[in-house]
Amino acid sequence: AQSVTQLDSQVPVFEEAPVELRCNYSSSVSVYLFWYVQYPNQGLQLLLKYLSGSTLVKGINGFEAEFNKSQTSFHLRKPSVHISDTAEYFCAVSSEGYSGGGADGLTFGKGTHLIIQP
Amino acid sequence: GAGVSQSPRYKVAKRGQDVALRCDPISGHVSLFWYQQALGQGPEFLTYFQNEAQLDKSGLPSDRFFAERPEGSVSTLKIQRTQQEDSAVYLCASSLWAGAYEQYFGPGTRLTVT
Repeated sequence: AQSVTQLDSQVPVFEEAPVELRCNYSSSVSVYLFWYVQYPNQGLQLLLKYLSGSTLVKGINGFEAEFNKSQTSFHLRKPSVHISDTAEYFCAVSSEGYSGGGADGLTFGKGTHLIIQP
Repeated sequence: GAGVSQSPRYKVAKRGQDVALRCDPISGHVSLFWYQQALGQGPEFLTYFQNEAQLDKSGLPSDRFFAERPEGSVSTLKIQRTQQEDSAVYLCASSLWAGAYEQYFGPGTRLTVT
């Protein structure tokens, strides 16, 4: 079984300030890690993913995340946020799936609402 | 190109009614997933198809929930005798092949049971 904990339900940040959204996971097997963003009344959009290799992954819209296996964390960061980054952010985990090499059903955290203040 | 589409976008059902939610995945995508997202929560996995085969239905909350993908493309999630606790957004996602990692999500169907 696997689980994801997003420690902050809401994070207020001033525009152009840096932000970090925290994510911790638990799993008994090797995992694949994802961050998704959800704008109001829209589906989820993939920001970035960690499958293997370099622990620092870069995604769209200037976001990046670092996989830390010893701390079982995958925190999301952005050096300077914009008002358009206001959204719900979900961390998700998956493990090796049916195909023997793929990630199947995702387990999501409860989400962090990023609020950008002008 | 076209993304994942879902219909209807909004559905209001009276308790006890049956509902059917449709998902049109991206053309050529082998894998299809259904998730349930309650208000203020993250999505929760319901079921997974690889082509027309339903490989995992462990997340379906009760035997009132049924999903099918008979021709390996369009999928329907059916909920029989709806209850108030079924009120949620139902998300569909597809991915290119069984070994692919990125799931592309549709906009969801918001189901409200009154």
